[in-house]
Amino acid sequence: AQKVTQAQTEISVVEKEDVTLDCVYETRDTTYYLFWYKQPPSGELVFLIRRNSFDEQNEISGRYSWNFQKSTSSFNFTITASQVVDSAVYFCALSPGGDSSYKLIFGSGTRLLVRP
Amino acid sequence: NAGVTQTPKFQVLKTGQSMTLQCAQDMNHEYMSWYRQDPGMGLRLIHYSVGAGITDQGEVPNGYNVSRSTTEDFPLRLLSAAPSQTSVYFCASTRTGFGDTQYFGPGTRLTVL
Repeated sequence: AQKVTQAQTEISVVEKEDVTLDCVYETRDTTYYLFWYKQPPSGELVFLIRRNSFDEQNEISGRYSWNFQKSTSSFNFTITASQVVDSAVYFCALSPGGDSSYKLIFGSGTRLLVRP
Repeated sequence: NAGVTQTPKFQVLKTGQSMTLQCAQDMNHEYMSWYRQDPGMGLRLIHYSVGAGITDQGEVPNGYNVSRSTTEDFPLRLLSAAPSQTSVYFCASTRTGFGDTQYFGPGTRLTVL
Protein backbone atom coordinates (compact mmCIF):
# COMPACT_ATOMS: atom_id res chain seq x y z
CA ALA A 1 0.00 0.00 0.00
CA GLN A 2 1.13 3.53 -0.66
CA LYS A 3 0.00 6.03 1.83
CA VAL A 4 0.85 9.31 3.54
CA THR A 5 -0.24 9.97 7.10
CA GLN A 6 -0.34 13.36 8.73
CA ALA A 7 -1.62 12.54 12.17
CA GLN A 8 -1.81 16.13 13.38
CA THR A 9 -5.08 17.53 12.13
CA GLU A 10 -4.63 20.97 13.63
CA ILE A 11 -1.86 22.73 15.53
CA SER A 12 -2.11 26.08 17.26
CA VAL A 13 0.99 27.97 18.41
CA VAL A 14 1.84 31.46 19.52
CA GLU A 15 4.00 33.56 17.25
CA LYS A 16 7.75 32.93 17.56
CA GLU A 17 7.27 29.38 18.78
CA ASP A 18 8.90 26.54 16.83
CA VAL A 19 6.54 23.95 15.40
CA THR A 20 7.06 20.57 13.74
CA LEU A 21 4.61 19.02 11.33
CA ASP A 22 4.82 15.26 11.10
CA CYS A 23 4.61 13.16 7.95
CA VAL A 24 4.84 9.38 7.78
CA TYR A 25 4.70 7.57 4.46
CA GLU A 26 4.36 4.00 3.22
CA THR A 27 5.72 2.65 -0.02
CA ARG A 28 7.51 -0.47 -1.20
CA ASP A 29 9.32 1.40 -3.93
CA THR A 30 13.02 2.02 -3.42
CA THR A 31 12.93 5.14 -5.56
CA TYR A 32 10.35 7.75 -4.71
CA TYR A 33 9.95 11.44 -4.06
CA LEU A 34 8.45 13.35 -1.17
CA PHE A 35 6.99 16.82 -1.25
CA TRP A 36 5.57 19.48 1.02
CA TYR A 37 2.97 21.97 -0.16
CA LYS A 38 1.47 24.94 1.63
CA GLN A 39 -2.15 25.99 1.18
CA PRO A 40 -2.72 29.49 2.62
CA PRO A 41 -6.24 30.77 3.34
CA SER A 42 -6.43 32.08 -0.23
CA GLY A 43 -6.59 28.45 -1.38
CA GLU A 44 -3.76 27.97 -3.84
CA LEU A 45 -1.19 25.21 -3.42
CA VAL A 46 2.37 26.43 -3.04
CA PHE A 47 5.28 24.07 -3.56
CA LEU A 48 7.79 24.11 -0.70
CA ILE A 49 10.25 21.26 -1.16
CA ARG A 50 10.99 18.06 -3.05
CA ARG A 51 13.22 15.28 -1.75
CA ASN A 52 14.20 12.02 -3.44
CA SER A 53 14.55 8.77 -1.57
CA PHE A 54 18.32 8.62 -1.98
CA ASP A 55 18.98 11.98 -0.43
CA GLU A 56 18.63 11.87 3.35
CA GLN A 57 20.35 15.16 3.99
CA ASN A 58 18.32 17.57 6.01
CA GLU A 59 17.32 20.73 4.24
CA ILE A 60 17.13 24.23 5.64
CA SER A 61 15.60 27.20 3.90
CA GLY A 62 15.37 30.28 6.07
CA ARG A 63 13.01 29.47 8.93
CA TYR A 64 11.96 26.19 7.31
CA SER A 65 13.75 22.88 7.74
CA TRP A 66 12.99 19.32 6.76
CA ASN A 67 14.12 16.10 8.41
CA PHE A 68 13.97 13.02 6.17
CA GLN A 69 14.52 9.66 7.88
CA LYS A 70 14.10 6.53 5.77
CA SER A 71 14.52 4.30 8.83
CA THR A 72 11.26 5.62 10.25
CA SER A 73 9.63 6.54 6.89
CA SER A 74 9.21 10.09 8.03
CA PHE A 75 9.65 13.47 6.38
CA ASN A 76 8.97 16.06 9.06
CA PHE A 77 8.77 19.81 8.55
CA THR A 78 9.84 22.35 11.17
CA ILE A 79 9.11 26.05 11.19
CA THR A 80 11.39 28.01 13.46
CA ALA A 81 10.16 31.24 15.07
CA SER A 82 6.71 30.91 13.52
CA GLN A 83 4.91 33.93 12.14
CA VAL A 84 1.24 34.71 11.58
CA VAL A 85 1.84 34.44 7.83
CA ASP A 86 2.73 30.77 8.34
CA SER A 87 -0.91 30.05 9.14
CA ALA A 88 -2.03 27.61 6.46
CA VAL A 89 -2.78 24.00 5.73
CA TYR A 90 0.36 22.01 4.99
CA PHE A 91 0.31 18.87 2.88
CA CYS A 92 2.91 16.15 2.65
CA ALA A 93 2.81 14.12 -0.57
CA LEU A 94 4.48 11.03 -2.02
CA SER A 95 5.35 10.40 -5.66
CA PRO A 96 5.86 6.66 -5.83
CA GLY A 97 7.95 4.95 -8.44
CA GLY A 98 7.11 2.41 -11.07
CA ASP A 99 3.71 2.52 -12.72
CA SER A 100 2.44 5.10 -10.25
CA SER A 101 5.17 7.62 -10.87
CA TYR A 102 2.80 10.06 -12.54
CA LYS A 103 0.75 10.83 -9.45
CA LEU A 104 0.98 12.42 -6.05
CA ILE A 105 -0.46 10.73 -2.99
CA PHE A 106 -1.39 13.35 -0.44
CA GLY A 107 -1.76 13.21 3.29
CA SER A 108 -4.88 14.73 4.78
CA GLY A 109 -3.05 17.90 5.74
CA THR A 110 -2.21 19.71 8.97
CA ARG A 111 -3.84 23.04 9.66
CA LEU A 112 -1.40 25.39 11.40
CA LEU A 113 -2.70 28.42 13.21
CA VAL A 114 -0.13 30.92 14.42
CA ARG A 115 -1.61 33.37 16.92
CA PRO A 116 -0.11 36.81 17.50
CA ASN B 1 4.30 32.66 -18.06
CA ALA B 2 0.81 32.39 -16.61
CA GLY B 3 1.59 28.87 -15.32
CA VAL B 4 -1.54 26.75 -14.78
CA THR B 5 -4.84 28.55 -15.19
CA GLN B 6 -8.30 27.30 -14.33
CA THR B 7 -11.76 28.61 -15.09
CA PRO B 8 -14.21 29.23 -13.60
CA LYS B 9 -13.11 30.06 -10.07
CA PHE B 10 -16.53 29.32 -8.61
CA GLN B 11 -19.51 27.40 -9.95
CA VAL B 12 -22.89 26.35 -8.63
CA LEU B 13 -24.76 23.55 -10.40
CA LYS B 14 -28.01 21.76 -9.90
CA THR B 15 -28.08 18.00 -9.64
CA GLY B 16 -28.05 16.46 -13.10
CA GLN B 17 -26.48 19.40 -14.90
CA SER B 18 -23.28 18.98 -16.84
CA MET B 19 -20.35 21.31 -17.16
CA THR B 20 -16.69 21.54 -18.12
CA LEU B 21 -13.91 22.81 -15.91
CA GLN B 22 -11.17 24.35 -17.99
CA CYS B 23 -7.45 23.95 -17.37
CA ALA B 24 -4.57 25.31 -19.41
CA GLN B 25 -0.81 25.52 -18.96
CA ASP B 26 1.79 27.44 -20.91
CA MET B 27 4.91 25.66 -19.66
CA ASN B 28 4.91 22.96 -22.35
CA HIS B 29 4.47 20.29 -19.69
CA GLU B 30 3.67 16.76 -20.84
CA TYR B 31 1.89 15.57 -17.72
CA MET B 32 -1.39 17.06 -16.52
CA SER B 33 -3.71 15.91 -13.78
CA TRP B 34 -6.98 16.70 -12.08
CA TYR B 35 -7.39 16.38 -8.31
CA ARG B 36 -10.29 17.02 -6.01
CA GLN B 37 -9.91 18.29 -2.47
CA ASP B 38 -12.46 17.39 0.15
CA PRO B 39 -12.35 18.40 3.83
CA GLY B 40 -10.09 16.17 5.89
CA MET B 41 -9.06 14.02 2.91
CA GLY B 42 -6.25 15.86 1.19
CA LEU B 43 -6.21 15.78 -2.60
CA ARG B 44 -7.22 12.76 -4.61
CA LEU B 45 -6.38 12.07 -8.25
CA ILE B 46 -9.34 11.98 -10.65
CA HIS B 47 -7.75 11.64 -14.10
CA TYR B 48 -4.37 12.28 -15.60
CA SER B 49 -2.70 12.60 -19.00
CA VAL B 50 0.87 11.79 -19.98
CA GLY B 51 0.62 13.65 -23.28
CA ALA B 52 -1.74 14.86 -25.98
CA GLY B 53 -4.19 12.12 -26.90
CA ILE B 54 -3.39 9.97 -23.84
CA THR B 55 -5.50 9.94 -20.69
CA ASP B 56 -6.12 7.50 -17.87
CA GLN B 57 -8.06 7.14 -14.65
CA GLY B 58 -6.85 8.05 -11.23
CA GLU B 59 -8.22 7.12 -7.85
CA VAL B 60 -11.71 8.65 -8.09
CA PRO B 61 -12.70 8.82 -11.80
CA ASN B 62 -16.41 8.01 -11.64
CA GLY B 63 -18.65 10.78 -12.94
CA TYR B 64 -15.86 12.60 -14.77
CA ASN B 65 -14.49 12.57 -18.30
CA VAL B 66 -11.33 14.10 -19.70
CA SER B 67 -9.67 14.58 -23.06
CA ARG B 68 -6.34 15.99 -24.12
CA SER B 69 -6.35 17.23 -27.69
CA THR B 70 -3.46 19.66 -27.19
CA THR B 71 -0.45 19.82 -24.87
CA GLU B 72 -1.80 23.01 -23.31
CA ASP B 73 -5.39 22.11 -22.42
CA PHE B 74 -6.90 19.44 -20.18
CA PRO B 75 -10.63 20.00 -19.57
CA LEU B 76 -12.58 18.04 -16.97
CA ARG B 77 -16.20 17.24 -17.75
CA LEU B 78 -18.86 16.48 -15.20
CA LEU B 79 -21.42 14.38 -17.01
CA SER B 80 -24.37 14.60 -14.60
CA ALA B 81 -23.49 16.54 -11.47
CA ALA B 82 -24.24 15.04 -8.08
CA PRO B 83 -24.00 16.60 -4.59
CA SER B 84 -21.10 14.22 -3.86
CA GLN B 85 -19.10 16.13 -6.48
CA THR B 86 -19.19 19.29 -4.38
CA SER B 87 -15.49 19.92 -3.91
CA VAL B 88 -12.54 22.07 -4.84
CA TYR B 89 -10.92 20.96 -8.07
CA PHE B 90 -7.26 21.48 -8.85
CA CYS B 91 -5.51 21.02 -12.13
CA ALA B 92 -1.76 20.34 -12.08
CA SER B 93 1.01 19.98 -14.60
CA THR B 94 4.53 18.66 -14.49
CA ARG B 95 7.30 18.48 -17.02
CA THR B 96 8.17 14.80 -17.20
CA GLY B 97 6.23 12.95 -14.54
CA PHE B 98 8.24 11.02 -12.02
CA GLY B 99 9.74 13.15 -9.31
CA ASP B 100 9.16 16.43 -11.06
CA THR B 101 7.37 19.11 -9.13
CA GLN B 102 3.68 19.38 -9.91
CA TYR B 103 2.45 22.94 -10.33
CA PHE B 104 -1.14 23.58 -9.42
CA GLY B 105 -3.73 25.95 -10.75
CA PRO B 106 -5.70 28.22 -8.40
CA GLY B 107 -8.60 25.79 -8.11
CA THR B 108 -12.31 25.76 -8.93
CA ARG B 109 -14.80 25.65 -6.08
CA LEU B 110 -17.84 23.67 -7.24
CA THR B 111 -21.11 23.36 -5.37
CA VAL B 112 -23.79 20.94 -6.55
CA LEU B 113 -27.23 21.55 -5.08
